[in-house]
Amino acid sequence: DMKVTQMPRYLIKRMGENVLLECGQDMSHETMYWYRQDPGLGLQLIYISYDVDSNSEGDIPKGYRVSRKKREHFSLILDSAKTNQTSVYFCASSLRENSDYTFGSGTRLLVI
Amino acid sequence: KTQVEQSPQSLVVRQGENCVLQCNYSVTPDNHLRWFKQDTGKGLVSLTVLVHENDKTSNGRYSATLDKDAKHSTLHITATLLDDTATYICVVGDRGSALGRLHFGAGTQLIVIP
Repeated sequence: DMKVTQMPRYLIKRMGENVLLECGQDMSHETMYWYRQDPGLGLQLIYISYDVDSNSEGDIPKGYRVSRKKREHFSLILDSAKTNQTSVYFCASSLRENSDYTFGSGTRLLVI
Repeated sequence: KTQVEQSPQSLVVRQGENCVLQCNYSVTPDNHLRWFKQDTGKGLVSLTVLVHENDKTSNGRYSATLDKDAKHSTLHITATLLDDTATYICVVGDRGSALGRLHFGAGTQLIVIP
């Protein structure tokens, strides 16, 4: 069953701590994304990765960085987490020339 | 400024009733439009995609229309079931490839009651 897997599902961190969110996909998709979802807002794009070590900023990259060393794996890193980074983070993947997107189930991050 | 507006924000219907969800957008260019279903605590699952002017699609009890001139789409759910309770999200893609950007609406929360 083709899917995008996110780990962990839930995470509580203190302000200033580092956070690592992981995402894997088993479809050999070239393109992967990190979004955040906040109440009353549509999903906002944080970073997009077109392939290994080929990453671009999305609409709200400040406070985040990413790493993609293998095609099937895309990490989101928060260096020194802030309370306003409390959110639900979604990873997604797609084929380069195809507009089909597969989303993970999300990671719920609480920064206290 | 939000480029994808969905209405209503929330909706309660009785099981078996039909409902219509609306999506208005200002994204340009508007290559395609997707409707996603998001169950509580889950990811987004694609219901249908509309590409062409005046497209109509049908996927079981879900059907959708797209009017590119008016930049408007509707999602119809017929004979609702309790499992239809979810948030329905309208997404407009500005290109036909992964190089494009997706513009997300905030969603319509549908609650189906017995």
